[in-house]
Amino acid sequence: AQSVTQLGSHVSVSEGALVLLRCNYSSSVPPYLFWYVQYPNQGLQLLLKYTSAATLVKGINGFEAEFKKSETSFHLTKPSAHMSDAAEYFCAVSDGGSEKLVFGKGTKLTVNP
Amino acid sequence: ETGVTQTPRHLVMGMTNKKSLKCEQHLGHNAMYWYKQSAKKPLELMFVYNFKEQTENNSVPSRFSPECPNSSHLFLHLHTLQPEDSALYLCASSGRQGAGYGYTFGSGTRLTVV
Repeated sequence: AQSVTQLGSHVSVSEGALVLLRCNYSSSVPPYLFWYVQYPNQGLQLLLKYTSAATLVKGINGFEAEFKKSETSFHLTKPSAHMSDAAEYFCAVSDGGSEKLVFGKGTKLTVNP
Repeated sequence: ETGVTQTPRHLVMGMTNKKSLKCEQHLGHNAMYWYKQSAKKPLELMFVYNFKEQTENNSVPSRFSPECPNSSHLFLHLHTLQPEDSALYLCASSGRQGAGYGYTFGSGTRLTVV
């Protein structure tokens, strides 16, 4: 069965600093991997996804993530944080044969002025 | 507009009330999901429907009763709730375009039980 671990339930960065949110997965088959963002009192919005094409995936709002099979990781990065990036971020995995997603516990990102 | 519409956005109900949450999608998706999101807790999958049939019930108390009359509509009927049921209830859908498509979420219903 697949599982997702997000290291750090809270991450705080200064505006303009690098954002790094960590996600490690466990899957017995080649996975599909997703990052979602949730703003307060909103649903989850897809940021980006990896579906076995390029290992470096670019998403919306300047975010990107790199699939590293050897490390079973799919960390989310953004070179320069904006105040508007403050939100909760969820990593999710599905195995190659299923639509069903398994979500991590989420990481809340705070951006300080 | 996300493609998945949830109504109402906010709901306050007493413990003896009966109310329903509604979710609607016109994306042609075949699967629909209810999630509960409480403060400081991870997303909890409640129910899964696929082509109107319930395929998953994660030990949800019977005071929550889902209904899926067709692949576009999903309801969550609520009765005799407890204060700990206060949470954001999220609906999502997914399609048969391929396993890499992911979910589309609604904006949620913020439920407060008083």
